[in-house]
Formats: sequence, C-alpha cells, structure tokens
Amino acid sequence: GAGVSQSPRYKVAKRGQDVALRCDPISGHVSLFWYQQALGQGPEFLTYFQNEAQLDKSGLPSDRFFAERPEGSVSTLKIQRTQQEDSAVYLCASSLVDSPLHFGNGTRLTVT
Amino acid sequence: GDSVTQMEGPVTLSEEAFLTINCTYTATGYPSLFWYVQYPGEGLQLLLKATKADDKGSNKGFEATYRKETTSFHLEKGSVQVSDSAVYFCALTGTTLYGTASKLTFGTGTRLQVTL
Repeated sequence: GAGVSQSPRYKVAKRGQDVALRCDPISGHVSLFWYQQALGQGPEFLTYFQNEAQLDKSGLPSDRFFAERPEGSVSTLKIQRTQQEDSAVYLCASSLVDSPLHFGNGTRLTVT
Repeated sequence: GDSVTQMEGPVTLSEEAFLTINCTYTATGYPSLFWYVQYPGEGLQLLLKATKADDKGSNKGFEATYRKETTSFHLEKGSVQVSDSAVYFCALTGTTLYGTASKLTFGTGTRLQVTL
C-alpha cells in the first residue's frame, strides 16, 4: 500500500469490553512500532517488532495490553477489559531497517 | 530516563514571521534528535533530524542545530506560511540513525497556527 494503514479509524468501547486495533504496515517494512498518544500529549512507546519477533514490550502499561505480528506483516494491538484511562489515539509506525519511520493516521479509542 | 521538553503552545504567528520552537532534552549517551510534524488529519511525518553534536538538520525551510552543551534542538524557520500550521513534536532516540530498533521519546508537541 501507499502508507501505513490503521483500522478502525475510530472505536468506541464500553468499559470492560475487549478491543482489537489493526495495523497494516508498508509492504516489506521490517520494523513495526505501536505508540499511545493521550490528548494533548506526545506519543508514548508501547512495543516494537522486528519481523514477527516482539523485541521490546517495555511500554505496555499493563497485562491487559497485548500485541502480535504473527507473520511479520500485519499487527494487532489488543486491549482487554478496557478502562477509561485507555482512551487515546493508538499510532502504528513501520520502517525498513534503520530508515525513517512512517506513521499511520492512528485509531482513536474512546472508552465510555 | 530520557525526556524531551518543548515549549507549550499554541504559537500564533502572522505569515512571514520568524518561528522558534524551543526543545531541550535529557538523555544518557549521545542521542539522535528529531522534529516530527503532524498536519491536520494526517499522520506524524519526519521533518528533520540530527545525529551528532553541532549537526544541523534542515528541510522545507525549517532547521534545527544539535547543541550538546545546552542539550537543545530548537526548531526555526525564517518566514512561516499558512501551510505550516500543524503540531510539531521534538523527539530523541538513543541508538540508531532514525530511531528504528529503539523507541522514540517525544515531547508533548507545540501547535503552530499561522494567519494571513
């Protein structure tokens, strides 16, 4: 594709529901990152994949957050039992090795 | 840990005015420094970068110089345009050239609004 594609663009969830956010990186991009951006804040690192290997998940805020990239391409960020503090924009970025990051437009999650 | 502090916005300027957005950082070692821009309705885009002390990054008329002695990476543009209206993020990473294979640490962002 032309760029990093994220879906859905907007997601509203009731507190306690599980959600799954999808990221389609640029074809051939080895590196894939997830970031969380709260309102009025800068993006904060969640996790990083190189191909299918999750090399860094130090930014995941709790064990309710889980990310996978089973075939080294599409990635899914799953949040279980959503809480209001999970409301944010979730950004995905991909790149070739040691090349500029390409960010998607994000998924805006609102937990009510 | 690593951190980035940038001036709060919004910054409102008239077209053709001079722009400075301040950014200072705290990091161990020798980080690479970046400015990202987010135009309305679009994703973050890399604007410019610098990888070592005294490097100057430049793009689209914007520039920033990596100042190790003051731990700063201020963004400047000599004459802003309405089309420069966006949110600007200063960021750093500790290891690689473009922040790959290592997490980027972002500032909180500064909104720039340019009026005619």
